[in-house]
Amino acid sequence: EVQLVESGGDLEQPGGSLRLSCEASGFIFSHNEMNWVRQIPGKGLEWVSHISSSGQTTYYADSVQGRFIISRDNTRNSLYLQMNSLRAEDTAVYYCARGALGHCTSSMCYVSFDVWGQGTMVTVSS
Amino acid sequence: EIVMTQSPVTLSVSPGEGATLSCRASQSVSSDLAWYQQKPGQAPRLLIYGASSRATGIPGRFSGSGSGTEFTLSISSLQSEDFAVYYCQQYNGWPRTFGQGTKVEIK
Repeated sequence: EVQLVESGGDLEQPGGSLRLSCEASGFIFSHNEMNWVRQIPGKGLEWVSHISSSGQTTYYADSVQGRFIISRDNTRNSLYLQMNSLRAEDTAVYYCARGALGHCTSSMCYVSFDVWGQGTMVTVSS
Repeated sequence: EIVMTQSPVTLSVSPGEGATLSCRASQSVSSDLAWYQQKPGQAPRLLIYGASSRATGIPGRFSGSGSGTEFTLSISSLQSEDFAVYYCQQYNGWPRTFGQGTKVEIK
């Protein structure tokens, strides 16, 4: 069964740091690009960050650029999000999502998010 | 940034009736458009990708259409399990962006 399981969410003070993890199983992790998406409870979805299958290419939302770092360890089938300089507005459920189902050109893939984890809650408050 | 705008915000439908949800992009996204369904307390689930292709296991009553800037998700004969929030998302440009969602509720 294809599965993504997030962990690492917690209550953290403003200015603090957290590291989220997403463990993948049931598919060849190194074949897929991955993403983090967050959702403030009761609100909509916000894409946070992307990493290519090799880990060489990353993208970030402006709201987290310079504070968050996405990474992956293909030997451990794991995706990570290092969250630094946390702010109250970072409070949300964080989902990892697999990129698949779409199309690729010679230089880039354009894919939807076909598998999602159950999410992990991050609360930033003093 | 490509802004995705969904309408209506809320759609009240009786079970067995059909529903049509709209999504507009602020610039062309070609057919790089997905629809997701989210129920309370659950992660989003991919319904449609490539504007019109159903994901694995998605019932035939869900269909997507459109290209460029105008997209539609149609649900024929709503079942009880279809009452949820639906999001469109473009994956043509960075940052990837979602619409604000359409809540389909029981009338």
